[in-house]
Order: sequence, then structure tokens, then C-alpha cells
Amino acid sequence: NAGVTQTPKFQVLKTGQSMTLQCAQDMNHNSMYWYRQDPGMGLRLIYYSASEGTTDKGEVPNGYNVSRLNKREFSLRLESAAPSQTSVYFCATSTSGRAIEQFFGPGTRLTVL
Amino acid sequence: QKEVEQDPGPLSVPEGAIVSLNCTYSNSAFQYFMWYRQYSRKGPELLMYTYSSGNKEDGRFTAQVDKSSKYISLFIRDSQPSDSATYLCAMSGDNTGKLIFGQGTTLQVKP
Repeated sequence: NAGVTQTPKFQVLKTGQSMTLQCAQDMNHNSMYWYRQDPGMGLRLIYYSASEGTTDKGEVPNGYNVSRLNKREFSLRLESAAPSQTSVYFCATSTSGRAIEQFFGPGTRLTVL
Repeated sequence: QKEVEQDPGPLSVPEGAIVSLNCTYSNSAFQYFMWYRQYSRKGPELLMYTYSSGNKEDGRFTAQVDKSSKYISLFIRDSQPSDSATYLCAMSGDNTGKLIFGQGTTLQVKP
């Protein structure tokens, strides 16, 4: 069991470029989340998906879009990257009935120049 | 003002010490209180959680919640070098998964 996997592990973009961060899980969890982690700010929720076919905004959704492709996969897209989006991005999953226990992937380190 | 405040440290203690980590919060609607541990360059993992007020103990770890003071604590007894990590408090008003995290406290336990 791989748990929660994220690709890529590292990425460098130029301002204005677009990219998609991929997340996949084999835990059979219904709920999936995208967070960003910045120094001094902790983890902040960008978007989440309570179940396949649904997505909702979190605390900091501006500049991002998401797609819940199926139960296993949840992607995060930056349409026009900005330096303020330089961060470490984490995907997480949970069961529906125990959403406070979230299982995190290893993260994607993104730098926008 | 952030909803959840946590001193980022770093906190350095000798092996065997008792460690106290704390968070304060402003939203009285919070009912679930979690502690996540994050090793360097890894994703966080849930250490323990408490619903509403009270204490919870798990081995060397004890979580306390004081809702009247809007203050939560994590105590680590007999700290070990393997406890060196960043500890993040997190809170939620319900079980929907919308967690609000503190900034995290970096702990180093020296042998």
C-alpha cells in the first residue's frame, strides 16, 4: 500500500506558467484535501472534496482550481503561477466519518520565479 | 489575528525532559482539538485528538483542553531524540475535515 502519493516532488515555474499537482490514494477514503504550508503560517486548506463529484473552497482558494477525477485522484491546478504561490503543497485524505484524522502525502515543493 | 496561535519556537530540551507545547484559539465553536507531528520534509501525521474539554493520555503523550481559557496543551514525558519534529495543533468546529492549523512548534530533543 502506497498510501497517499503526490507528483511531482519538486517543481520550479516561471511567473505566468501553469501546472497541475497530482494526488492519488489507495486507502479507499472518500474525502481528499489540498493544503499549502508556508513558514510562519502553518497549514492552510485550499480546497477539499468530501466525496467523489464534489469540491468546496477552503481558506485560501484564490488562484487555484481542483478536479476530483475519481475516488482515488484529486488534482490541483495553478492556471497562472505567481511568486506568492511558492510553497509546499500537501494532499491529504480521510474517511467521511472521521475527517479529523487526515493522512498526508509527502508534499510537493513548488518555487515560482 | 489568527484563529489559532502557536509559538513557533524552536524549543530545545535535553533527553528525558518533560515538554509542554501550547496553542491558544479565539473561535469558541471549536469542538475537536488535534495534535499532528511532522518530521522534517515529511507530511504531518495525527498524534492524538480530544473532543471538547478534558485530558487524553496515550503513552508518553497527554493532551489537555481548557475551553474556558481557549487553551490547549500537549505534554511529552521522558522526551526522546526521536520526538524531535514540528508539532502542529489543529482545530475544527465539526467533523467535516475543515481543519484550522497553528503555525507549528519545532522541538529538538538533545541526547
